[in-house]
Amino acid sequence: DGGITQSPKYLFRKEGQNVTLSCEQNLNHDAMYWYRQDPGQGLRLIYYSQIVNDFQKGDIAEGYSVSREKKESFPLTVTSAQKNPTAFYLCASSPPGYNYEQYFGPGTRLTVT
Amino acid sequence: EDKVVQSPLSLVVHEGDTVTLNCSYEVTNFRSLLWYKQEKKAPTFLFMLTSSGIEKKSGRLSSILDKKELFSILNITATQTGDSAVYLCAVENNAGNMLTFGGGTRLMVKP
Repeated sequence: DGGITQSPKYLFRKEGQNVTLSCEQNLNHDAMYWYRQDPGQGLRLIYYSQIVNDFQKGDIAEGYSVSREKKESFPLTVTSAQKNPTAFYLCASSPPGYNYEQYFGPGTRLTVT
Repeated sequence: EDKVVQSPLSLVVHEGDTVTLNCSYEVTNFRSLLWYKQEKKAPTFLFMLTSSGIEKKSGRLSSILDKKELFSILNITATQTGDSAVYLCAVENNAGNMLTFGGGTRLMVKP
């Protein structure tokens, strides 16, 4: 089955720890994205990557880092520098030339205490 | 900075009602406007609009774009409880590499 997987579904961390969220896709999509969603709010773009070994900052990249070593994988690290990391994180991918047609993963809910 | 504003923030209706959701935007290099439906977790794509005045329709859902006044509406007729969701509007820039999302409208349809 083709799709996007994110793991884990729920993640709990202590303040001051870095945490890495996984995102994998087997849709052969070039572009991948990370969004953050806070209660009652829309999606805000953290980072995106159009091709392997290249990525760009989105609107709220501070306190986050990413890597794109493989086409299938786009992990997001929430660093201790992120002041308010508790949120719902969504990963998405899109086929070449169709960046609007984003396929979303099921999301990871991160809680930092 | 690109900006997308949706209204109302939330809406409660009864089955059979018709609803109109609004999306206004300010974007430097507009390419398209998109509507998504988010039920439990992941948003699903509904419509892409690029031209003014041309209605896109899918079943009971329809949407139209006004590029002069910089807004779009999403209409849902004969609402059903299954339409309950958050509806997200987003704009795509001309480079085609980023979407800017609005805050969403939470629709609840009561039986």
